[in-house]
Amino acid sequence: EVQLLESGGGSVQPGGSLRLSCVASGFTFSSYAMNWVRQAPGKGLEWVLGIGSSGADTYYADSVKGRFTVSRDNSKNTLYLQMNSLRAEDTAVYYCAKGQFGSGWPDWGQGTLVTVSS
Amino acid sequence: EIVLTQSPGTLSLSPGERATLSCRASQSVTNTYLAWYQQKPGQAPRLLIHSIFSRATGIPDRFSGSGSGTDFTLTISRLEPEDFAVYYCQQYGTSPYTFGQGTKLEIK
Repeated sequence: EVQLLESGGGSVQPGGSLRLSCVASGFTFSSYAMNWVRQAPGKGLEWVLGIGSSGADTYYADSVKGRFTVSRDNSKNTLYLQMNSLRAEDTAVYYCAKGQFGSGWPDWGQGTLVTVSS
Repeated sequence: EIVLTQSPGTLSLSPGERATLSCRASQSVTNTYLAWYQQKPGQAPRLLIHSIFSRATGIPDRFSGSGSGTDFTLTISRLEPEDFAVYYCQQYGTSPYTFGQGTKLEIK
């Protein structure tokens, strides 16, 4: 069974930093692209970053470019999201999601809440 | 960036009725990489349909997807009580991988 478990969320002041982790199990982590998707309170889904299976290719939404960095450690089956220069509008539940070779994203974590507030 | 526009914003129907949800893309979707997700309060999104037509594992056959190019439809043939939720379309063929703003399917 595929499992994705996010952690690292919490409250942070504007301008601060936070690192999220997503630990994967139940599949060969190093074979799949991964993504981070966020959802602000009461709002829709927003894709923010993606990373290829080896980590060599990364993709960013304009809203986080230059502030957020995605990386992975395939030896630890873990996906990371380093968030710097956080803003109030970054407040959201952050989900990691597993790609499936053109078949959509069938597996998601439960999400971790990030709150940016003074 | 491919912008996805969903309509209607809210759909009010009764159990047993047929639901038709629309998703229009600002440009053609790459490689037919168009998906539909269902989300209930407090839960992660659940993949229903990928590649425009293909049902994900375990999804009942009352859910079906159709369309091509820039116009796509999710149809729920006969609504069950557990189908009332928010539905999102997504294109995952071209970065940035965008979502529609969602359609809320509510009980009439």
